[in-house]
Amino acid sequence: DAGVIQSPRHEVTEMGQEVTLRCKPISGHDYLFWYRQTMMRGLELLIYFNNNVPIDDSGMPEDRFSAKMPNASFSTLKIQPSEPRDSAVYFCASSWDVLGELFFGEGSRLTVL
Amino acid sequence: AQSVTQLDSQVPVFEEAPVELRCNYSSSVSVYLFWYVQYPNQGLQLLLKYLSGSTLVKGINGFEAEFNKSQTSFHLRKPSVHISDTAEYFCAVIQGAQKLVFGQGTRLTINP
Repeated sequence: DAGVIQSPRHEVTEMGQEVTLRCKPISGHDYLFWYRQTMMRGLELLIYFNNNVPIDDSGMPEDRFSAKMPNASFSTLKIQPSEPRDSAVYFCASSWDVLGELFFGEGSRLTVL
Repeated sequence: AQSVTQLDSQVPVFEEAPVELRCNYSSSVSVYLFWYVQYPNQGLQLLLKYLSGSTLVKGINGFEAEFNKSQTSFHLRKPSVHISDTAEYFCAVIQGAQKLVFGQGTRLTINP
């Protein structure tokens, strides 16, 4: 299995631009999670899906952030408009069970200038 | 709200020395505990987990952890570390029906 695949690995953009991060989970996993990692705040859960349905989005910082999962093999995290404080590494992870092992992608490093 | 505390942000040790990374959680009600490792520029991967049963849990790469309900702790140990163990280690907890919460991480540095 190829594991969780995220793209892009690195993104540099200017404040105000739209950013779209993509994730392909491991086939057969019913849960998909989006995390954000920064030095100041550590790892924060932004949102998670079960069977493509958003279950908990209480970690999404504000309306500028949105996430979708149109099918079992694809999810996006969108930031519009982006701000410098959104600079972070964004991880996607998937799992077959809410208590099961999370399999993480390699992350998307976002820099907003 | 559930929380998990990693008491040390950085732990330097010499190669082949033992190491303990400390983790405490906020409540002992229906708790599930995990340790993840993050190597530089990579995502996290599971080292070990405690769901139920034996309180001593063995994981990959020679790591083990002990669930201590009275101390609300789940410390990670390895009897002899290697240079390749240099990484950041995260303790995580699920309590009740809530979601997984990660600690702030402990950066383990192995000196030759």
